[in-house]
Amino acid sequence: RKEVEQDPGPFNVPEGATVAFNCTYSNSASQSFFWYRQDCRKEPKLLMSVYSSGNEDGRFTAQLNRASQYISLLIRDSKLSDSATYLCVALTDSWGKLQFGAGTQVVVTP
Amino acid sequence: EAGVVQSPRYKIIEKKQPVAFWCNPISGHNTLYWYRQNLGQGPELLIRYENEEAVDDSQLPKDRFSAERLKGVDSTLKIQPAELGDSAVYLCASSLRAQDNTEAFFGQGTRLTVV
Repeated sequence: RKEVEQDPGPFNVPEGATVAFNCTYSNSASQSFFWYRQDCRKEPKLLMSVYSSGNEDGRFTAQLNRASQYISLLIRDSKLSDSATYLCVALTDSWGKLQFGAGTQVVVTP
Repeated sequence: EAGVVQSPRYKIIEKKQPVAFWCNPISGHNTLYWYRQNLGQGPELLIRYENEEAVDDSQLPKDRFSAERLKGVDSTLKIQPAELGDSAVYLCASSLRAQDNTEAFFGQGTRLTVV
């Protein structure tokens, strides 16, 4: 079993709609989590950090459920420019090991 | 401020040949990562440095891969000899100090094609 698992999608979302997807992690000792966005043939870029129960930044909301060991990302009022792969990342030990999921692809359509 | 710089951006080599990648992290960042990303997959850690010390190289195929981070700044990743299965994007990332939960910043990557 992979340490961080994500639904690969794609999630096809009409422009203006809301989309949400989850990421599960296996290491209960994981302390911090991140969502990265990766455009096609580009490097991953940080979208949000999640240190406690959740975080909100504009149209993006991340929720952390430690009991069930998952993190969710919700995108409201989707824009065409939100089309990308969203990578879930867990900081799996106290020495800074970052474990990536395989990513969830989101496609926003006009 | 400059981000993480990697070179080359693209490399095509024949199998069994050697290849090297170079990474210059963000100034002041102590932690440096090398990741490999295959198509449709997330980045997989190859090696992580804290300053000049490799603190996690458990997933580095040491029979053919080597890495160094002289003086705790720039880093090189080498493959010798390359195999067809090594074709991937090699990403370098850096962070201030990973133990402090700081995010990692990525370079643009080196796209390696082994033919």
